[in-house]
Amino acid sequence: GAVVSQHPSWVICKSGTSVKIECRSLDFQATTMFWYRQFPKQSLMLMATSNEGSKATYEQGVEKDKFLINHASLTLSTLTVTSAHPEDSSFYICSAQGANIQYFGAGTRLSVL
Amino acid sequence: GENVEQHPSTLSVQEGDSAVIKCTYSDSASNYFPWYKQELGKRPQLIIDIRSNVGEKKDQRIAVTLNKTAKHFSLHITETQPEDSAVYFCAADSWGKFQFGAGTQVVVTP
Repeated sequence: GAVVSQHPSWVICKSGTSVKIECRSLDFQATTMFWYRQFPKQSLMLMATSNEGSKATYEQGVEKDKFLINHASLTLSTLTVTSAHPEDSSFYICSAQGANIQYFGAGTRLSVL
Repeated sequence: GENVEQHPSTLSVQEGDSAVIKCTYSDSASNYFPWYKQELGKRPQLIIDIRSNVGEKKDQRIAVTLNKTAKHFSLHITETQPEDSAVYFCAADSWGKFQFGAGTQVVVTP
């Protein structure tokens, strides 16, 4: 199956700093990538849809200035959590769409102290 | 928008028995329904999917059924094994975005 790489897998940062997460489709081109947030023992909540070469589409309640998304190429999308605070601590997962199927990255566990 | 409900939230089965997870969706325009398996701390993995022009699909011990009229679809796992223990998520594709169900924690006991 298709491979999606997400980096880093785990990050600890101080409150107020920014964190960048990368999502790469390794063996296929993805015009659309998705960013999800998952709290412990809960479902995947879509944060935004990232389209190559255009602005991301954010879901209701997600602050676009807080969660900056860039999809500069067909194989890379980045999510930057700006001025992170403890309430931003969560598991963030990206997915890349290929032929209607979403292939997920391994996720990034963010802990904000 | 699309709303997906999934039941049960937890399911404990004896090894060798069958497990059934049910999902309902609200948007009649949804036409693609994947099922993902997520083990603790790992990424969701697609295990089976079905499109709206098909009523049933089977892959070894896993099968999915779809009732478009009633807007529900189900995952069936037969002859369960301990390695089937995980959280299973259903999803419905609505306008190119997936709406996920809340998940079902499946525990297979030896």
